[in-house]
Amino acid sequence: DTEVTQTPKHLVMGMTNKKSLKCEQHMGHRAMYWYKQKAKKPPELMFVYSYEKLSINESVPSRFSPECPNSSLLNLHLHALQPEDSALYLCASSQVQVILYNEQFFGPGTRLTVL
Amino acid sequence: AQSVTQLDSHVSVSEGTPVLLRCNYSSSYSPSLFWYVQHPNKGLQLLLKYTSAATLVKGINGFEAEFKKSETSFHLTKPSAHMSDAAEYFCVVSGPGNTPLVFGKGTRLSVIA
Repeated sequence: DTEVTQTPKHLVMGMTNKKSLKCEQHMGHRAMYWYKQKAKKPPELMFVYSYEKLSINESVPSRFSPECPNSSLLNLHLHALQPEDSALYLCASSQVQVILYNEQFFGPGTRLTVL
Repeated sequence: AQSVTQLDSHVSVSEGTPVLLRCNYSSSYSPSLFWYVQHPNKGLQLLLKYTSAATLVKGINGFEAEFKKSETSFHLTKPSAHMSDAAEYFCVVSGPGNTPLVFGKGTRLSVIA
């Protein structure tokens, strides 16, 4: 299985709502990533988990809260978002590498709209 | 430090004609280079990767790229464009290990019938 799955595909939420995005992979990868992608822009890295521990947080606001409950799952909890947070949220996974290259496998994304 | 420059924000070709998407990179490491494709409202799919083996890299769907260290380039080519190739293409550079990927700004490829 060489697939990264993400649910839901689309999400509309109000600024006071709490919601979660989910990501799953069964490739045995121990590094997982969250990216945010605005229209006509490249993905921007938000968080990196390595061996289920948060290793990189790219100064993301606390209204985004990542969680890695096990080696196959990655969640992104959302609370009190702003309309400017509307974007495509992409999950990716890869092997944890020390020397070799970092080939990341991307999921299809969750299209988030904040009203 | 690493950076990627995609020289064209938009390329338009006729169906059946060659495709050339240009990418220049800068890296203080021996880089790994990737091309990803993104169709509208979809995730990113890896087209091909350079990892210090052969300098001419063949990918999926007839795409290939050549790593030229002297020119710090990694241009993507395809002999004959198909309508289904219309998408956004990202050139990406990575250092060793789990160094974060550095994305170019993307090139939108349009294919005209």
